[in-house]
Parts: sequence; C-alpha cells; structure tokens
Amino acid sequence: DAGVIQSPRHEVTEMGQEVTLRCKPISGHDYLFWYRQTMMRGLELLIYFNNNVPIDDSGMPEDRFSAKMPNASFSTLKIQPSEPRDSAVYFCASSSPPHGYTFGSGTRLTVV
Amino acid sequence: KQEVTQIPAALSVPEGENLVLNCSFTDSAIYNLQWFRQDPGKGLTSLLLIQSSQREQTSGRLNASLDKSSGRSTLYIAASQPGDSATYLCAVIGSNDYKLSFGAGTTVTVRA
Repeated sequence: DAGVIQSPRHEVTEMGQEVTLRCKPISGHDYLFWYRQTMMRGLELLIYFNNNVPIDDSGMPEDRFSAKMPNASFSTLKIQPSEPRDSAVYFCASSSPPHGYTFGSGTRLTVV
Repeated sequence: KQEVTQIPAALSVPEGENLVLNCSFTDSAIYNLQWFRQDPGKGLTSLLLIQSSQREQTSGRLNASLDKSSGRSTLYIAASQPGDSATYLCAVIGSNDYKLSFGAGTTVTVRA
C-alpha cells in the first residue's frame, strides 16, 4: 500500500483565495482525520470521519473551513477565504481499529 | 478532555547513551497508545503501538511501556545514534471516541 497520500505537498496562496487540500486514505481504513500543526499550538484535530460520515468537527476553527468525504477513498479540506493565520502544515491520517493511525506527508500551506 | 504531557521537552545526549522519554495522560479510558517520530519538515512516522491490554511493545532498539492505571507510558531507546535525533510524540487514542490526543513532544538531539 502506498500509505496515506496528500496533495499538494506545498501550497502558497494569497489572502482571500480558496484553498483545497486533498487526501487519499489507506484502502480499507474506515476512519479519516484532518490535523493541523503549528509551532504555537502543536497538532490539533480539525475533523474526523467514520465510514465517510463526519463524526466530530468541533476542532474546525471557523466557518471558513469545510471538509468532505464523498467516498471511502477521498477527502478534501477547503478554506475559503484563506487568511495568513491559516498558514500551517495540514496532515491527513487514516485508521482502522485495532490498528493505529497512519499519517500522510502533509501539506505545507502558506497564505501571504 | 484528555490531556497528554511529555517530559522533558528537549533532551541532548552523547551517542551511545540510552534515552528515556516520558508521557503521561489524564484519562485512563484509552483504546491504545501510539508513539511517533517526526523529523524536521516531515510527517509523522509510527514507531510503536501499544494496545490498552498490553504492558509493553518492543521493536529493535525501541521499547515502550504502558501503565494505564497510573496514566503513564515510557519510550526507551537503547544505544542512541545521531540518526535518532528527532521529535518524539506520544499520542493516546480514546476508547469512547477513537480520537488521537497528542503530547507536545520531546525533541531529542544525539551528539556524535
């Protein structure tokens, strides 16, 4: 298996633009998680899905953030409009109990 | 809410010395515990996964123990090498919600 695949690896965008991050989980995993990592706040859980259904989105910072999982092999995290304070590394992870989490390589987002 | 604490925040040792990294968590209702390694600018690599019913797991020079009742886990790295230099993250998976809660990490530097 190729692991959890995220794209793009790097994204530089101007403030106010829409940003879409993509994730392909490991086949057969029924949980998918989106995390954000910054120096100040460490790793924060944004939202997670179980069997393509959003279970907890309490970590989504505000309405500018949205996430979807239209099928078991694809998820998106969208920021619209983007702001400089959204600059961070965004990780996607998938899992299937009793196994642990597998993380993707992350998307480094810079909003200027 | 699960709180995960890692001590120390940073550690610098000469090559060959054994490393001891500590992790504590406040809620003992865990599904399992996972140790990760993160190199600068990179993603999270899983090192060891300990099920809640287990006391320890071993992989090569790495050994992780778990004392669920006292809310503690320890990662031991034997005979450290410069290539072990990285940030080590402890993460707890909740038994009720399957969410992964992270500590802030221990940054290890092994001097040649």
